[in-house]
Amino acid sequence: NAGVTQTPKFRILKIGQSMTLQCAQDMNHNYMYWYRQDPGMGLKLIYYSVGAGITDKGEVPNGYNVSRSTTEDFPLRLELAAPSQTSVYFCASGRGLGPPQETQYFGPGTRLLVL
Amino acid sequence: TQLLEQSPQFLSIQEGENLTVYCNSSSVFSSLQWYRQEPGEGPVLLVTVVTGGEVKKLKRLTFQFGDARKDSSLHITAAQPGDTGLYLCAGAPNAGGTSYGKLTFGQGTILTVHP
Repeated sequence: NAGVTQTPKFRILKIGQSMTLQCAQDMNHNYMYWYRQDPGMGLKLIYYSVGAGITDKGEVPNGYNVSRSTTEDFPLRLELAAPSQTSVYFCASGRGLGPPQETQYFGPGTRLLVL
Repeated sequence: TQLLEQSPQFLSIQEGENLTVYCNSSSVFSSLQWYRQEPGEGPVLLVTVVTGGEVKKLKRLTFQFGDARKDSSLHITAAQPGDTGLYLCAGAPNAGGTSYGKLTFGQGTILTVHP
């Protein structure tokens, strides 16, 4: 199993450009998450999904959109990129079992620089 | 909004020393997880603690959940260079209902162990 994969690994965007960060998992997990990680700030939840067709906002959703058409894929869309969106983005998936069984499996991250 | 404060933010020690990382909140969590993250990779789950006062050991790492389930600690005995990394605590909300696996992360502790 590849686990959680993310593409691209690194991207530079100009202010106002748009892009889609791709995330795929092959573990048949219903729950998927998008986080951003800024230095010294830990991980902040952007959006999450509990199954195909079902998404909801996390803590910092402004400037982002998501869709979940299949169990495997959970792309994150950035519209009108701003310097404040410079960050490392992590996708994660889990079974949604709740503690103590719950484990979130993280992808390797996408490093985004907006200039 | 539930917040988790980790301390210290940075820790630089010599091989063989002991260390403790703290994770504190004014909120109650249903469980607390500890993750380790290496440069260029996503976080990887180390342990989940669920019961107030619970202590779990993972080789040289000892994890404790506070009696009131508001805080946790990670103690490493005889640290080794391979322990170097970013350590993150993450709490699952004590929401009573379905939390959809959403986690609140601390800001992380960067540990460097020098040979």
